[in-house]
Amino acid sequence: QVQLQESGPGLVKPSETLSLTCTVSGDSVSGYHWSWIRQPPGKGLEWIGYIHNSGSTNSNPSLKSRVTMSVDTSNHQFSLRLSSVTAADTAIYYCAGGIWDWYLELWGRGTLVTVSS
Amino acid sequence: DVVMTQTPLSSPVTLGQPASISCRSSQSLVHSDGNTYLSWLQQRPGQPPRLLIYQISNRLSGVPDRFSGSGAGTDFTLKISRVEAEDVGIYYCMQATQFPRTFGQGTRVDIK
Repeated sequence: QVQLQESGPGLVKPSETLSLTCTVSGDSVSGYHWSWIRQPPGKGLEWIGYIHNSGSTNSNPSLKSRVTMSVDTSNHQFSLRLSSVTAADTAIYYCAGGIWDWYLELWGRGTLVTVSS
Repeated sequence: DVVMTQTPLSSPVTLGQPASISCRSSQSLVHSDGNTYLSWLQQRPGQPPRLLIYQISNRLSGVPDRFSGSGAGTDFTLKISRVEAEDVGIYYCMQATQFPRTFGQGTRVDIK
């Protein structure tokens, strides 16, 4: 059974970089498409982007060039970096995955990241 | 971006009765490969979303058959044939025909 677990700071200062890691257990990170989705408290879902260990990746233009994603196959992890954060980036961040980027069958429990000084 | 519009935004339902959620996209979701990448996700209170249905009508393994999806082009529907207490939550449609992937606003299903 594949499980995902997000980790990272729960509080980030404005203008700094949000960094999150998702650890995959129960299978290899290879062969899956890994996604990040966020949800501002009490609001709906926003797709951030996906990455595959082959190098295939895509991210939401609304986040412009602030998003960087990577996969670490040796440590069974994939990561998200979001630079120049503002209060608008406060959200629960979910990692998710599947055999295709849209086949979001696997989800982490989510981690709340608050942007505040 | 493809805009996904769900109706209603809230659906109080009597246990055992049906529920229906509509999702309309601002553009056709038929991909150039001939497939339609429209999914439905369920988010129970305090939990992460869960994929229920993909490509309009395909249920994931383990999803009860009281959930069904239908539609084509720009108009899609999720139906719950007989609502159970565990179905309470917010339901989202999501399109994956175009980048960026986009979600509907969500429809809250609760018990009357």
